[in-house]
Amino acid sequence: DAKTTQPNSMESNEEEPVHLPCNHSTISGTDYIHWYRQLPSQGPEYVIHGLTSNVNNRMASLAIAEDRKSSTLILHRATLRDAAVYYCILRDPWFRNQGGKLIFGQGTELSVKP
Amino acid sequence: GAVVSQHPSRVICKSGTSVKIECRSLDFQATTMFWYRQFPKQSLMLMATSNEGSKATYEQGVEKDKFLINHASLTLSTLTVTSAHPEDSSFYICSARDRTGELFFGEGSRLTVL
Repeated sequence: DAKTTQPNSMESNEEEPVHLPCNHSTISGTDYIHWYRQLPSQGPEYVIHGLTSNVNNRMASLAIAEDRKSSTLILHRATLRDAAVYYCILRDPWFRNQGGKLIFGQGTELSVKP
Repeated sequence: GAVVSQHPSRVICKSGTSVKIECRSLDFQATTMFWYRQFPKQSLMLMATSNEGSKATYEQGVEKDKFLINHASLTLSTLTVTSAHPEDSSFYICSARDRTGELFFGEGSRLTVL
């Protein structure tokens, strides 16, 4: 499985934008870039995913580098409820890789200061 | 959105006993379910992949006789920790994949073995 590299931790101020980077230099042409987040004592929650183009949804935006070797999750206005561990995961199309299992790296622990 | 429910959310047991954790997809049929284990301050570690009606596929290093997985229906998978010991104390999380390939996570089950 292709690996991702994320900073261990980041800090943000409430109401400010947050850019969470992820490096995935060995990404294959068919890997999707998925982001999940995990709040304390909860299961992971889907945030966003993309393949080549930038993506936006109600939770966040995903900016993907042109060479796809890196991506950035953007939270436009951080709130205290956004404090969580954010995981950047590469996922082979599910029907080709044992059902599309997700392999979690260490993630980035985001803390948000009021 | 789709909901995956785990039960119990917390369980405390004595060393040597067996504990069963249930994972249910409440509003969709899960062709595949995944079981993860997470120790404090660590990432999720995939334990096994289970497909309805067939034997589970365990990740390297996970004892299949210790962690029994049953996926008897398209909405239920169970993980039984047999002869539990204090080192098995952990946060166990399941995820379920629907027919489109989307993955949904349960809330997690915290096991404490005394």
